[in-house]
Amino acid sequence: QKEVEQDPGPLSVPEGAIVSLNCTYSNSAFQYFMWYRQYSRKGPELLMYTYSSGNKEDGRFTAQVDKSSKYISLFIRDSQPSDSATYLCAMSVGGGGNQFYFGTGTSLTVIP
Amino acid sequence: EPEVTQTPSHQVTQMGQEVILRCVPISNHLYFYWYRQILGQKVEFLVSFYNNEISEKSEIFDDQFSVERPDGSNFTLKIRSTKLEDSAMYFCASSVEDFRAFFGQGTRLTVV
Repeated sequence: QKEVEQDPGPLSVPEGAIVSLNCTYSNSAFQYFMWYRQYSRKGPELLMYTYSSGNKEDGRFTAQVDKSSKYISLFIRDSQPSDSATYLCAMSVGGGGNQFYFGTGTSLTVIP
Repeated sequence: EPEVTQTPSHQVTQMGQEVILRCVPISNHLYFYWYRQILGQKVEFLVSFYNNEISEKSEIFDDQFSVERPDGSNFTLKIRSTKLEDSAMYFCASSVEDFRAFFGQGTRLTVV
């Protein structure tokens, strides 16, 4: 069973575009949702995190969770070439100590 | 900014040899994790550790794997007899009580 599905892309957008990245999941017990950014051969870097449903905004980034549809999104406004990376969604059932289930990651390139 | 530190960055080992991957988690964190990422695949959970005990482990984490917190700062992953399929990036992560896990830069393990 594939717990978390994510379109691997690649996604290529012009600088300044709005980027939409998405994940779907099958386990309705997931309560915690994260987005990580990963540069080539580096560790995942935590970008956004949300608990349960709703929206969260941090600068140019907005994370949305729709638990009824089992669907989460990350929006990047005014995308920059430095946003070029792989974006991973991750989710877990519980808090500390619980495993995260990751998507495959979406490769994003922002063209200057 | 505090960060998770992993050593070595790259380890090459012969099949059947033992390897120890080392991590220094963020100092006030309580939960520690090992994940791995085979090239081109998802980040996969191996094990979580809390209060000097394994709190959760995956099917991947069989008898060939062990974890230890030998002192107040280090967290290690030992693979007793490496196989070719153990070749991957290994990531250490740590978190406080909640679900926000911070990852290290990884150790690239190559088994030849």
